[in-house]
Amino acid sequence: DTEVTQTPKHLVMGMTNKKSLKCEQHMGHRAMYWYKQKAKKPPELMFVYSYEKLSINESVPSRFSPECPNSSLLNLHLHALQPEDSALYLCASSQWENQPQHFGDGTRLSIL
Amino acid sequence: GDSVTQMEGPVTLSEEAFLTINCTYTATGYPSLFWYVQYPGEGLQLLLKATKADDKGSNKGFEATYRKETTSFHLEKGSVQVSDSAVYFCALSDFGGSGGSNYKLTFGKGTLLTVNP
Repeated sequence: DTEVTQTPKHLVMGMTNKKSLKCEQHMGHRAMYWYKQKAKKPPELMFVYSYEKLSINESVPSRFSPECPNSSLLNLHLHALQPEDSALYLCASSQWENQPQHFGDGTRLSIL
Repeated sequence: GDSVTQMEGPVTLSEEAFLTINCTYTATGYPSLFWYVQYPGEGLQLLLKATKADDKGSNKGFEATYRKETTSFHLEKGSVQVSDSAVYFCALSDFGGSGGSNYKLTFGKGTLLTVNP
């Protein structure tokens, strides 16, 4: 069992839909991350929240909108996605900077 | 900038064979080094870490030593099992580096390991 919980595990959506991915951790970690992982590739960093404030946005298209409602929760709002956005979306957390990151099992997203 | 180079594989071994996956890095600051493992259909799990030169990380029979003189962090296991079949990622986090952030993990491309019975 991982200590970072992501829901849903699988999501299929059309290009005009709006959906959200959710991530939760109860380890008291103050940094939370979204990654995108394509098949047979390493994860690519999308966003970093530090102390509930957006710290890094890796030039991600605006159709991905992150939100950190509190120190335990991280959301990724999706709107008007493209087929190339189909991937595994991983959430991670760490105690603070430069500490090991703990990953969830991800949401496998398919865009029709 | 920072980078991690690891042997891409795939690597196929028989059960109880010795495993080495090579990893070298370049970094401008004081990197911490990690090995992550990803089993099929799952997220990444931290396998082991080392935060300074000559540190040895170990877990589940896997070991890696932080070698600053050779900028390496090779993963080894003396006797692999079928259950070790997974993708292994070497990664670094560069504290104080010129990469701009202490939060960023730089990953190698991953090595697919398959262990046959």
